Amino acid sequence: SAVISQKPSRDICQRGTSLTIQCQVDSQVTMMFWYRQQPGQSLTLIATANQGSEATYESGFVIDKFPISRPNLTFSTLTVSNMSPEDSSIYLCSATYGTQYFGPGTRLLVL
Amino acid sequence: AQRVTQPEKLLSVFKGAPVELKCNYSYSGSPELFWYVQYSRQRLQLLLRHISRESIKGFTADLNKGETSFHLKKPFAQEEDSAMYYCALKGGGKLIFGQGTELSVKP
Repeated sequence: SAVISQKPSRDICQRGTSLTIQCQVDSQVTMMFWYRQQPGQSLTLIATANQGSEATYESGFVIDKFPISRPNLTFSTLTVSNMSPEDSSIYLCSATYGTQYFGPGTRLLVL
Repeated sequence: AQRVTQPEKLLSVFKGAPVELKCNYSYSGSPELFWYVQYSRQRLQLLLRHISRESIKGFTADLNKGETSFHLKKPFAQEEDSAMYYCALKGGGKLIFGQGTELSVKP
């Protein structure tokens, strides 16, 4: 199995600022994913991050708004840029290690 | 297009009653389907996957390709089964989730 941790666990931010969320996996994994879960909604895939290549974004998500880094096989970051209240959400990191595991999530509130 | 539909947002049953959480999917290839569960204040975790045909915590799910369904069933619900349940489809290496069903098991 894989254990995934995220930092921060929660944050309150002002509109117009940016927040970088860190994701650490305790095993080397090829594929990592970032999801968003808006209040009362299901999980929506933002992007797939493979080490050594550019992240692949899903329809409706762009690199300028959600830049992603994947410097090695155990770590990734997601930045939420130029935030607005509509970005208030839970952001989840996920990784495939046989099966797909999820981090605890980062709860973001934008004022 | 890949799509997962869970028609019930909330399902409320009494302890000991049978439970069926519905899931329908749309996928052009051979699907790989999963049920994930999220208990209160816990992270999302895998409950079961169709390829292993296992029973976890008394839950089972059978893939019906004709009806494009993967319903989750348990013959006798327990209070500790109360949680959010998500059906998910893996296609093109990505996991696509349904809207989720909140299961509430009352004493």
